[in-house]
Amino acid sequence: DAGVTQSPTHLIKTRGQQVTLRCSPKSGHDTVSWYQQALGQGPQFIFQYYEEEERQRGNFPDRFSGHQFPNYSSELNVNALLLGDSALYLCASSLVEDRGFGYGYTFGSGTRLTVV
Amino acid sequence: SQELEQSPQSLIVQEGKNLTINCTSSKTLYGLYWYKQKYGEGLIFLMMLQKGGEEKSHEKITAKLDEKKQQSSLHITASQPSHAGIYLCRLGNEKLTFGTGTRLTIIP
Repeated sequence: DAGVTQSPTHLIKTRGQQVTLRCSPKSGHDTVSWYQQALGQGPQFIFQYYEEEERQRGNFPDRFSGHQFPNYSSELNVNALLLGDSALYLCASSLVEDRGFGYGYTFGSGTRLTVV
Repeated sequence: SQELEQSPQSLIVQEGKNLTINCTSSKTLYGLYWYKQKYGEGLIFLMMLQKGGEEKSHEKITAKLDEKKQQSSLHITASQPSHAGIYLCRLGNEKLTFGTGTRLTIIP
């Protein structure tokens, strides 16, 4: 049973560029959440998708957008990249009824984005 | 200020020694979760604490929840190299509010 798969694992982009990160949820899960983890910090909630709609959002600017597809996979898009966007981006999947419960979330290994 | 503060920020411990990591909340704790993170790996769920006074153990790791102090502690007994990594606490809310993290290094 595959867990959460994220791609790519590493990425280097230039300031001002746009980037798309991808996440395939664990089999059977229908909800995908995205997190940004800066070096030496805990993950910060970006947003959550369920039924192809953004359901909740953290304190991130509109440069951060996402999408969920009918197969529950998801993309995170970041426009006009800043140096401060350099971080590990984590994706977590769950079932909607498990929202908030730690044991129901499965995390991917993350995509490490470096903006130069 | 952070809603969940962890201390210490980093910890270097000799193999075989015991250690404690603390997680303090600025709000009432209704539930707390502990995770471990290693480079290149996702977050590994360790334990969930749901009520004040609750204590759970798994192998050599014990977590406690002190609701009055709005604090949880994670204690590792007889540390091993496999315990090295980043330990994160998080609240039992939908946005999964995480703590600031504690980086644990085990030296032989």
